[in-house]
Amino acid sequence: SQKIEQNSEALNIQEGKTATLTCNYTNYSPAYLQWYRQDPGRGPVFLLLIRENEKEKRKERLKVTFDTTLKQSLFHITASQPADSATYLCVPNFGNEKLTFGTGTRLTIIP
Amino acid sequence: GAVVSQHPSWVICKSGTSVKIECRSLDFQATTMFWYRQFPKQSLMLMATSNEGSKATYEQGVEKDKFLINHASLTLSTLTVTSAHPEDSSFYICSARNPGLGAGNEQFFGPGTRLTVL
Repeated sequence: SQKIEQNSEALNIQEGKTATLTCNYTNYSPAYLQWYRQDPGRGPVFLLLIRENEKEKRKERLKVTFDTTLKQSLFHITASQPADSATYLCVPNFGNEKLTFGTGTRLTIIP
Repeated sequence: GAVVSQHPSWVICKSGTSVKIECRSLDFQATTMFWYRQFPKQSLMLMATSNEGSKATYEQGVEKDKFLINHASLTLSTLTVTSAHPEDSSFYICSARNPGLGAGNEQFFGPGTRLTVL
C-alpha cells in the first residue's frame, strides 16, 4: 500500500539557517504534492503545490523540490525566522480530490 | 483571497445535545467542501466530502446519522453533531475547494472549531 513519510516528527533549526524537511513515498508516485503549514489550534494553511513533472517550485523564502527517481520531496525555508515555527505537512494526491494527512514535522526555529 | 471561515470557533455543550458548525467560503464559490476531525497530536482525519446540492460522501467508520452535513449553497456547508457525547470532543476543521482557483487542487481550510462535550 502507498505510504508517505516525513523525515522526523520534530526539527530544531537555528534562526537564519535553512530548514529542510523531507517527504518520502513508496510505490506509486503522487500526481502532485502539497505542502501545508499548521499552527497549534488552527486549520492548515496551503503553501505550495508541485506536480510530478515539475522539479522545483519557489515562493518567497520557500522552495519545494520533487524527485520522482528518489521518490522524495524536499521543502526548504531559507533565512528561517522564529515565526516559521509550526507543523509542516506533506500531502500527496493521487489524482482524486481527497487529501490524506500525516502528523507532519514540527519545526522549531531557535532564536 | 480564498478565505474560509468557521463558526463558532469553540463550543461547549452537554452530553446528548446537538451542535451545529458552519463553514463558509467568503470570497469564492466552493464546489466541494470537506469536513475533518483532529484529535490532539494526531493528523487530520477526513470525515466526509460534500458537493453543493447533493448528499455528502462519508468516510468509512463515520456515522452519517450522527454527523449530518448540509451543503445548501456554494458558500455554506454545515456539520451537525447530533446527540453529542464526550468522545465527540475534538477539533473540527472544514475546507473548501474550487478547481478554478490557484493550481486547482489545493484546499483552503477554515480556522477550526473546538468542540467540548461535557
